[in-house]
Amino acid sequence: DTGVSQDPRHKITKRGQNVTFRCDPISEHNRLYWYRQTLGQGPEFLTYFQNEAQLEKSRLLSDRFSAERPKGSFSTLEIQRTEQGDSAMYLCASSPLKGSADTQYFGPGTRLTVL
Amino acid sequence: DQQVKQNSPSLSVQEGRISILNCDYTNSMFDYFLWYKKYPAEGPTFLISISSIKDKNEDGRFTVFLNKSAKHLSLHIVPSQPGDSAVYFCAASAQGSNDYKLSFGAGTTVTVRA
Repeated sequence: DTGVSQDPRHKITKRGQNVTFRCDPISEHNRLYWYRQTLGQGPEFLTYFQNEAQLEKSRLLSDRFSAERPKGSFSTLEIQRTEQGDSAMYLCASSPLKGSADTQYFGPGTRLTVL
Repeated sequence: DQQVKQNSPSLSVQEGRISILNCDYTNSMFDYFLWYKKYPAEGPTFLISISSIKDKNEDGRFTVFLNKSAKHLSLHIVPSQPGDSAVYFCAASAQGSNDYKLSFGAGTTVTVRA
């Protein structure tokens, strides 16, 4: 399977705990995105990387959220001191940046439940 | 501020008939539009896209139409099949402005009846 992979698929945690999610993009895709989706809504942009550089962060990404892509391959998204409002599906996508159209391909997501 | 809107939360269609999904946008800088399909507990799957230099793009049973003056796009699925039952998201980006992040609509749930 050469698609985008995410780990874990599901995470249940207690309020106040830290959690970390991992995303492995499609090989040779140099752009990597993180989105968050809540029930009944479309995905909302959080942040994106071009290679190892984090180029944009949404105002949705509070100080408790941090994302890294240290070697321009996989990425991690960490949430510190989780709150119940952080419960959502966290989606990762990657794109190849070819030509004039940049199509993003999504992973299966990590479902976070904060109790 | 919702820049991409899908005003129909659900659509029911008989197998073999046409499904038409609609999407409106407000940001005139958007120049690349995509449709994704999503099954429960899975990530969105890319279906079809269209650049603002075109007004139609076709791929098998899926056709996307873009009306730039009306800031409106639609997805036609012909013929509809039971496996098409899913949530469909419209998304847009402003790539000409080097803004590659996607703005999504809230989705339309399609149910194909046998």
